Amino acid sequence: KNQVEQSPQSLIILEGKNCTLQCNYTVSPFSNLRWYKQDTGRGPVSLTIMTFSENTKSNGRYTATLDADTKQSSLHITASQLSDSASYICVVTLVMPGANNLFFGTGTRLTVIP
Amino acid sequence: DAEITQSPRHKITETGRQVTLACHQTWNHNNMFWYRQDLGHGLRLIHYSYGVQDTNKGEVSDGYSVSRSNTEDLPLTLESAASSQTSVYFCASSPGTSGGSHYEQYFGPGTRLTVT
Repeated sequence: KNQVEQSPQSLIILEGKNCTLQCNYTVSPFSNLRWYKQDTGRGPVSLTIMTFSENTKSNGRYTATLDADTKQSSLHITASQLSDSASYICVVTLVMPGANNLFFGTGTRLTVIP
Repeated sequence: DAEITQSPRHKITETGRQVTLACHQTWNHNNMFWYRQDLGHGLRLIHYSYGVQDTNKGEVSDGYSVSRSNTEDLPLTLESAASSQTSVYFCASSPGTSGGSHYEQYFGPGTRLTVT
């Protein structure tokens, strides 16, 4: 069964600290993996996308890694800011085309406190 | 700037009523999607469209319908609202064809629907 699991469900960190969010998936055959950031009361916004052959992708203080062999991805946030408080959603896409080939994780709720 | 909007942002309705949620995008994208988001679940696909006059059922389509009469709009209708349809609804669009799953989906701000 194609699934995407994220951990932890929620996380509280102090401003300025680093953190790492995890995404494990069983989706196969794999096409790409995205990390989305969803602010409270807003729609998700894409942070990074990685294909099968990529194992690192950065977007400012956000760095995503992918291990396609173990079917794991992580999102590392460096020097966290209050504005990083949001939910982070991992989305994995199957190779086959179509709208039903996206699998969404339930997200990690990150709270950054001063 | 191009954008995707949803209205209303909040809606309270009674069980059994018909409700329509609007979605409008100015990206000129072929693909449009409706999702619902509930605690403990990832975003779940309700309906989607690859272009004008094209509509398709998603994972959780029972009780919902959509129509696509132009490129910009994909309204979602709840035929007879049920309490189980209390949720946050997100509309999204993407470029490309046939779902464009390799392209980023651009999400609207969401509509919080409460069915009492």
